[in-house]
Amino acid sequence: DVKVTQSSRYLVKRTGEKVFLECVQDMDHENMFWYRQDPGLGLRLIYFSYDVKMKEKGDIPEGYSVSREKKERFSLILESASTNQTSMYLCASSGGQKRTEAFFGQGTRLTVV
Amino acid sequence: GQQLNQSPQSMFIQEGEDVSMNCTSSSIFNTWLWYKQDPGEGPVLLIALYKAGELTSNGRLTAQFGITRKDSFLNISASIPSDVGIYFCAGQFGGNTPLVFGKGTRLSVIA
Repeated sequence: DVKVTQSSRYLVKRTGEKVFLECVQDMDHENMFWYRQDPGLGLRLIYFSYDVKMKEKGDIPEGYSVSREKKERFSLILESASTNQTSMYLCASSGGQKRTEAFFGQGTRLTVV
Repeated sequence: GQQLNQSPQSMFIQEGEDVSMNCTSSSIFNTWLWYKQDPGEGPVLLIALYKAGELTSNGRLTAQFGITRKDSFLNISASIPSDVGIYFCAGQFGGNTPLVFGKGTRLSVIA
């Protein structure tokens, strides 16, 4: 089974802190994604990556950056956390051209105070 | 960014009833996916559809990829309390493009 693991289930950070959210997948997937989920807004794409060291902006990249130094790991970075970044963050990975379904991690509930 | 039109937004049903929800898009997709999310967890893939007209079942769940490639529906038969959660549809143009999600259907089952 595909496993996508996010480093933390719950995080509480202070405004202005630099925050790292880590995601690891064990299926050698090329594609990895970061979404945030807020009530009434659904899942919104922050960044995605098709390969090591490659990144593409999603719909709401402002205030975030990403890093993909290894194929299995995709990190989301909040450069200076703000209260409006309090949200559920979801990482996903997918295998590529033919079987394109994405598999999600368990989510990280981030609270910025 | 683009989002799919998913309906209904929420449903309250009696245990044992059948459920139907659907997604529509103004764009054509090559893949349709259905996910379920339990509270505090990440979405879990239920069904993946890759061909227009395809009808696929997974236990009590049945999903179809619309002929026009612009819609999909999910049916749940004989609902049970553990069906409670949020169901998301997702479409994908193909290859390495990201999924586009609906806003979800929140299902509540009354025992």
